[in-house]
Amino acid sequence: DADVTQTPRNRITKTGKRIMLECSQTKGHDRMYWYRQDPGLGLRLIYYSFDVKDINKGEISDGYSVSRQAQAKFSLSLESAIPNQTALYFCATSDWRRAYNEQFFGPGTRLTVL
Amino acid sequence: GESVGLHLPTLSVQEGDNSIINCAYSNSASDYFIWYKQESGKGPQFIIDIRSNMDKRQGQRVTVLLNKTVKHLSLQIAATQPGDSAVYFCAENTGGFKTIFGAGTRLFVKA
Repeated sequence: DADVTQTPRNRITKTGKRIMLECSQTKGHDRMYWYRQDPGLGLRLIYYSFDVKDINKGEISDGYSVSRQAQAKFSLSLESAIPNQTALYFCATSDWRRAYNEQFFGPGTRLTVL
Repeated sequence: GESVGLHLPTLSVQEGDNSIINCAYSNSASDYFIWYKQESGKGPQFIIDIRSNMDKRQGQRVTVLLNKTVKHLSLQIAATQPGDSAVYFCAENTGGFKTIFGAGTRLFVKA
């Protein structure tokens, strides 16, 4: 199922480096999200976007930024990566026309910051 | 505060047996609940959902039960198969965009 794709799938980087994670979707959904997943914790929302150029902070936005230049793409940046940003990152989409918020997830990006 | 939690971090069942995965939620205003399945190396996938005006919903081999009195949600998997091995998340939202995810329960299916 390639409706939501993420690149890269794995990335190892060093402290202080700038990293960009990309998300693309072919579902035609207007809403897109970035989450991080840590062992033993649920998915935590970093940023979300309801439309092109609409950006909203989630619960853990510090140290991250996002860009939504097109409906199908939502990128997440770590301006200066630090080790505690080592995690699994997921992009998700949803359709505003649905009253309830079923989200569709990408395969994830495993990021390691040394 | 709002939270969605799971009673057990891991569950091990014999192939062919039924599995029951439990979830507690604390926000009484939540009116929509979802179960997701996450296989190794993949993102969460929707399994089944239920709205707060229902107490039971059935899918293919899966049933979700909602008890609003005690704020409890469960996922029942009938005739558990090796392919059911995964992490299962419950999630809640209040009809808007915000979804709160539980930590997950890892299901192991023994052959």
